[in-house]
Amino acid sequence: AQSVTQPDIHITVSEGASLELRCNYSYGATPYLFWYVQSPGQGLQLLLKYFSGDTLVQGIKGFEAEFKRSQSSFNLRKPSVHWSDAAEYFCAVVGRGGSQGNLIFGKGTKLSVKP
Amino acid sequence: DTGVSQDPRHKITKRGQNVTFRCDPISEHNRLYWYRQTLGQGPEFLTYFQNEAQLEKSRLLSDRFSAERPKGSFSTLEIQRTEQGDSAMYLCASSLSGPPTSFYGYTFGSGTRLTVV
Repeated sequence: AQSVTQPDIHITVSEGASLELRCNYSYGATPYLFWYVQSPGQGLQLLLKYFSGDTLVQGIKGFEAEFKRSQSSFNLRKPSVHWSDAAEYFCAVVGRGGSQGNLIFGKGTKLSVKP
Repeated sequence: DTGVSQDPRHKITKRGQNVTFRCDPISEHNRLYWYRQTLGQGPEFLTYFQNEAQLEKSRLLSDRFSAERPKGSFSTLEIQRTEQGDSAMYLCASSLSGPPTSFYGYTFGSGTRLTVV
């Protein structure tokens, strides 16, 4: 079955420290890959996406993610975390092809930032 | 374009009542999706439309749930005889469809938070 695993439910980092959020997927073929961020009570904002090509993708707010086919992973990174980055982060996948209907999300990682 | 709009933002209802939510997608988007998100979980797919046709429904969409997109523009999601387990955030998203080699991404609305008391 297709699935997305975010192994860390909650991560706390100090402001200015680096961040890595993990994401592993299980899919028949390489899907399209996304990271979204959600602030409390809000909808989802797209941080970045991977379709093809360079496996290191840059997103908004200084985030980047690296696709590793051999590990079925798409980890999100930021070199220096800001207090405003505190939010919940979701990794998601969708299959390539004409349907593209069912975006599958992980359960999310809540990021807390301490001063 | 102001993005994907959802109305209402919050809804509190008594158990057993019916509720209806509305989603207005980005005007040029022909695909519209509904997701449900409970506390501490990622969004779960419910259903999606291409134009006015409902192309896929999740098993999560019980008989009490119905979604429509009558003119291929806005969509409504109705829950009949609400239960406490229906309390969740209901998210709508829209996108363009295209050839299999293309992908245009999803834009999400801010959601409707439903509380069943």
